[in-house]
Amino acid sequence: DAGITQSPRHKVTETGTPVTLRCHQTENHRYMYWYRQDPGHGLRLIHYSYGVKDTDKGEVSDGYSVSRSKTEDFLLTLESATSSQTSVYFCAISSGGLTDTQYFGPGTRLTVL
Amino acid sequence: GENVGLHLPTLSVQEGDNSIINCAYSNSASDYFIWYKQESGKGPQFIIDIRSNMDKRQGQRVTVLLNKTVKHLSLQIAATQPGDSAVYFCAETNTGNQFYFGTGTSLTVIP
Repeated sequence: DAGITQSPRHKVTETGTPVTLRCHQTENHRYMYWYRQDPGHGLRLIHYSYGVKDTDKGEVSDGYSVSRSKTEDFLLTLESATSSQTSVYFCAISSGGLTDTQYFGPGTRLTVL
Repeated sequence: GENVGLHLPTLSVQEGDNSIINCAYSNSASDYFIWYKQESGKGPQFIIDIRSNMDKRQGQRVTVLLNKTVKHLSLQIAATQPGDSAVYFCAETNTGNQFYFGTGTSLTVIP
């Protein structure tokens, strides 16, 4: 998985609780991304980062925030989890811009009850 | 979002046969395409890519064909093996914008 790890790999939480997912890379790539994957949908971009402390929204950013304090770590936070955020979350990295080839981590399966 | 979809949600092939997985896209400005393979419980894995200035690109046992006239992309897998069983999906982008991903085709290889 191209030097990308995600933690936790599985999480079950309750509606209204905060959740933070972590993506860690060892490739020193500038760009990092968070996607969600749901049945009937292709991967959808939540947020991405183009450098330390530089982030931007994707197409499904509502209810999510991100932070990147170090090149190797990109955190995704659900401030108050909802059942609609039950999904599999993938982190990806690329050395170039948005349109550069992206390599994905193993995913985090999140269930919000 | 972009309309990036696949013609068939499932495909079953005999081991040793060739597989063809199709993808349609709607944005005529798209200029870069990727095929990913995703095994159960794992993240998507890059297989092969192609830029819009090409019609065909070959890798190891895989070939991607791009028909810009009808906005169609296909992935051909030669001599399909059990290890090829997975979900395959395409992704497309036009320079400066995000990728859009298809929903995937599930390939099952019958021994």
